[in-house]
Amino acid sequence: GNSVTQMEGPVTLSEEAFLTINCTYTATGYPSLFWYVQYPGEGLQLLLKATKADDKGSNKGFEATYRKETTSFHLEKGSVQVSDSAVYFCALDDDNDMRFGAGTRLTVKP
Amino acid sequence: NAGVTQTPKFQVLKTGQSMTLQCAQDMNHEYMSWYRQDPGMGLRLIHYSVGAGITDQGEVPNGYNVSRSTTEDFPLRLLSAAPSQTSVYFCASSYSGRSSYNEQFFGPGTRLTVL
Repeated sequence: GNSVTQMEGPVTLSEEAFLTINCTYTATGYPSLFWYVQYPGEGLQLLLKATKADDKGSNKGFEATYRKETTSFHLEKGSVQVSDSAVYFCALDDDNDMRFGAGTRLTVKP
Repeated sequence: NAGVTQTPKFQVLKTGQSMTLQCAQDMNHEYMSWYRQDPGMGLRLIHYSVGAGITDQGEVPNGYNVSRSTTEDFPLRLLSAAPSQTSVYFCASSYSGRSSYNEQFFGPGTRLTVL
């Protein structure tokens, strides 16, 4: 079956540090891949997505590349800010079968 | 434009009670879905609907019923609540049935506790 595995948190970084959150997936078909972000007390918001192999999704300084050969979709940001503190979820959608990772809590300290 | 709204925000039930979680969207989205969020497990899909009159099961449908009589509303019913249903519930919607190509918009969530 389809599944998503992402690195366990929590992750604590200083402002301007480099961020990587690892995500790997298992899928029977050719899924689309997503990163969602959840700020405290809110629902999830789409951060970025990629719908086919080698696509790069990007938004607000975050990037992730769909790597079919390694079944990965790692999230990166070159310089994090305090306002990036949130929970990040990797997800896949394979023909309406939507699967989420467990989430990674990021805390950025000034 | 309110987006996706959910009521109530918080609810406490006793084992065996029934209740309905309400979800509505004003974006004319065809696709709507319900998830539960549990610590360490991310979100799991309960039921989804690709349009009015059409519903289907997700990953964890047992103990939940849904219906979709209008495009706007997608209520989730717990027929006989159990402590294992203690969770945070999110409703989401997107433009078309092929959610891969469309952003899902999430409601603010309902925190349910079953004693």
